[in-house]
Amino acid sequence: AQKITQTQPGMFVQEKEAVTLDCTYDTSDQSYGLFWYKQPSSGEMIFLIYQGSYDEQNATEGRYSLNFQKARKSANLVISASQLGDSAMYFCAMRKVPNQFYFGTGTSLTVIP
Amino acid sequence: DAGVTQSPTHLIKTRGQQVTLRCSPKSGHDTVSWYQQALGQGPQFIFQYYEEEERQRGNFPDRFSGHQFPNYSSELNVNALLLGDSALYLCASSLVGYNSPLHFGNGTRLTVT
Repeated sequence: AQKITQTQPGMFVQEKEAVTLDCTYDTSDQSYGLFWYKQPSSGEMIFLIYQGSYDEQNATEGRYSLNFQKARKSANLVISASQLGDSAMYFCAMRKVPNQFYFGTGTSLTVIP
Repeated sequence: DAGVTQSPTHLIKTRGQQVTLRCSPKSGHDTVSWYQQALGQGPQFIFQYYEEEERQRGNFPDRFSGHQFPNYSSELNVNALLLGDSALYLCASSLVGYNSPLHFGNGTRLTVT
């Protein structure tokens, strides 16, 4: 069963605008972690942001913020003030007990100048 | 601070052959996981090593095996290669704990002909 769902195969955003990448997850666990990774065309996976299931506040890291809605089981990534270098694949991931990560199929983001 | 390093970066093998991929974790990390990423897909969990033992395994056949050494470095072995094994193989290291992200290497691109 798909544990992480990313419904947007591709997204376009104008430079300097904000964009939201969607992620929903499926788990019956109480304790879990949610992560977002960026994968440029070079292939490396770059960690962006983390949200714990017990965290009441949405996580923020610079221009990245995570819109965590626990009841809806969603963990959307918001990128503010998009830059050309933000063009990449973005993966949502969930960490479950004991220590296994599940990744979504990714969203390809293209920033338009 | 050395990150995760993988070798080789690219590899071409023939069906039926065997391959060994290598990974050195980020300094201070003791857990190594391996992921397979097919073109256009998210990473799929192969297995995880901690304290030189395989702790968890994803849905991969026994042709995929691994090892972790006392210095925490790891190897991924794939026997009897199939065309479908062509993918980017990512090694990731981490610490135990829900807020500990995976740190990935740049991957090994395996092509099976």
